[in-house]
Amino acid sequence: DQQVKQNSPSLSVQEGRISILNCDYTNSMFDYFLWYKKYPAEGPTFLISISSIKDKNEDGRFTVFLNKSAKHLSLHIVPSQPGDSAVYFCAAPDSGTYKYIFGTGTRLKVLA
Amino acid sequence: GAVVSQHPSWVICKSGTSVKIECRSLDFQATTMFWYRQFPKQSLMLMATSNEGSKATYEQGVEKDKFLINHASLTLSTLTVTSAHPEDSSFYICSAPRSNTGELFFGEGSRLTVL
Repeated sequence: DQQVKQNSPSLSVQEGRISILNCDYTNSMFDYFLWYKKYPAEGPTFLISISSIKDKNEDGRFTVFLNKSAKHLSLHIVPSQPGDSAVYFCAAPDSGTYKYIFGTGTRLKVLA
Repeated sequence: GAVVSQHPSWVICKSGTSVKIECRSLDFQATTMFWYRQFPKQSLMLMATSNEGSKATYEQGVEKDKFLINHASLTLSTLTVTSAHPEDSSFYICSAPRSNTGELFFGEGSRLTVL
């Protein structure tokens, strides 16, 4: 079964600096990996995805890197803004379907 | 705008009653939808996969008689929490994949409080 780990439960970054959020998974699949942002009492909001055939995907201030050999994902936010303060979840597919397994999340706090 | 909508956003009920939560895909058809549960400061836990036209698939440890799932159409899945108890109080979230983009869209979530 797929396991997804986000080993940093929290991260504080100064406004304008880079935020790097990490995620490790166990099963390699030819599919998409996802990042979500979540505010309290709201549903997760899709942020960015990366296909397993790529090693980088960029969308504005957000870039996701995929290291397949290390089974590792990272999300870079640059420059970080106070509005980026939220919990970020990475998700990896289980068994090649849309059944995604989520990490435990990293709470990002961007300090003004 | 939202592509997956959940209703209600908040519900408070008495212990022993049943509560239904709806999940709708607004501009695409979803043969599959997923139901998650989130406890405070914890990850999203997949409860079940809702399949249009067939029975839902439940994850290990999730009581199928407790959490009834019905995927009535290609745009609607419902989760009914039967005979709710205070320990069922949680944040329930549905999601639906849009196959051509690889994206999984989430509803706004439903906060259930059982008194």
